[in-house]
Amino acid sequence: GAVVSQHPSWVICKSGTSVKIECRSLDFQATTMFWYRQFPKQSLMLMATSNEGSKATYEQGVEKDKFLINHASLTLSTLTVTSAHPEDSSFYICSARTPGTGSYGYTFGSGTRLTVV
Amino acid sequence: QKEVEQDPGPLSVPEGAIVSLNCTYSNSAFQYFMWYRQYSRKGPELLMYTYSSGNKEDGRFTAQVDKSSKYISLFIRDSQPSDSATYLCAMSSGYSSASKIIFGSGTRLSIRP
Repeated sequence: GAVVSQHPSWVICKSGTSVKIECRSLDFQATTMFWYRQFPKQSLMLMATSNEGSKATYEQGVEKDKFLINHASLTLSTLTVTSAHPEDSSFYICSARTPGTGSYGYTFGSGTRLTVV
Repeated sequence: QKEVEQDPGPLSVPEGAIVSLNCTYSNSAFQYFMWYRQYSRKGPELLMYTYSSGNKEDGRFTAQVDKSSKYISLFIRDSQPSDSATYLCAMSSGYSSASKIIFGSGTRLSIRP
């Protein structure tokens, strides 16, 4: 089946540094990818929609200059957390619509746990 | 008011029990309804999906949608310890690849052996 590979699975960084998270669709092309953030015991909150070859669409309240999204190819989308702070510590997950599954098939990456110290 | 409301639990039941998980929503435009299962520190995986109102059964799992009440349910029969996870309802109004899905907060379920 469709697989979305997300790396790294966890990362610890110092406050003020930047961290890049990658999501790759391994056996299908994803023109659109979605980036979510999940705090402990809370639901996934959509941060932005990443579109191949164009600017990402950010949800209200999400700082686009802080969370840089690049979707340079049909199989790769990246999220860069710039000048990370401890409050950015969270679980970040990407997803893509699985081809041939209508409106239901969203394949998720395994997530990246970011800890900013 | 959140678009999707879901009791976070935790819900603890003995092995073999029937589990009922529920969500309510406010956006009448939602037509596609999904249930995802998420194990700790993993991404969600699609468990069940339905379109508009009605029931759908898959093995031990049954999904129900009542659009008139804006209420969806997931039933798990003969629950197993391996069913212990967080269950998230999700819904979408559109069919296109760019349609967003909105998640409930998730219900943490624990099945006691």
